[in-house]
Amino acid sequence: DSGVTQTPKHLITATGQRVTLRCSPRSGDLSVYWYQQSLDQGLQFLIQYYNGEERAKGNILERFSAQQFPDLHSELNLSSLELGDSALYFCASSTGQGRRYGYTFGSGTRLTVV
Amino acid sequence: GQQVMQIPQYQHVQEGEDFTTYCNSSTTLSNIQWYKQRPGGHPVFLIQLVKSGEVKKQKRLTFQFGEAKKNSSLHITATQTTDVGTYFCAYSGTYKYIFGTGTRLKVLA
Repeated sequence: DSGVTQTPKHLITATGQRVTLRCSPRSGDLSVYWYQQSLDQGLQFLIQYYNGEERAKGNILERFSAQQFPDLHSELNLSSLELGDSALYFCASSTGQGRRYGYTFGSGTRLTVV
Repeated sequence: GQQVMQIPQYQHVQEGEDFTTYCNSSTTLSNIQWYKQRPGGHPVFLIQLVKSGEVKKQKRLTFQFGEAKKNSSLHITATQTTDVGTYFCAYSGTYKYIFGTGTRLKVLA
């Protein structure tokens, strides 16, 4: 157990639907990052929050949005889902910007859009 | 913009053989991190390199940061089946780390 909790572990939904992925960071970590990993692909950075504020955005689609709540958990909302959105979505957390001890990743949410 | 290439994309080795993956950047990196992702698992932080020419070892793993801080390598001596997985380098962008494409290692027993 890495200390980063992601729910649900698996999600199967139809095209056009909307889903919410949840992440609880490791205790004490203020930074949360969302990454997308498609089949046999690398990790694509989506968005980062620090203590409730958005700090950095990657190639995140307009159909996707995220937020970090006062208790520091984060949610990634994916709407108008397309088949190509099927992927593994990882949440990671870090102390500060992760420059010394790196990121701690959760076990991911596997999203399948049918 | 900054580009980091990781090679090779795939590597199959016989158990006991050595393995090396390389991360090459077109620009100078402030630091570089390495992660390992086991099949079906999540990335796990291995190490961070900061200084020019830095070399760090973790048992059979040797990590190097180039003198010009534009490249890095991860070398595994005498691979074991437990080394199977994808190895990623990651470099710091603004407020986030950007991951390389990864090298998938398969070890044949």
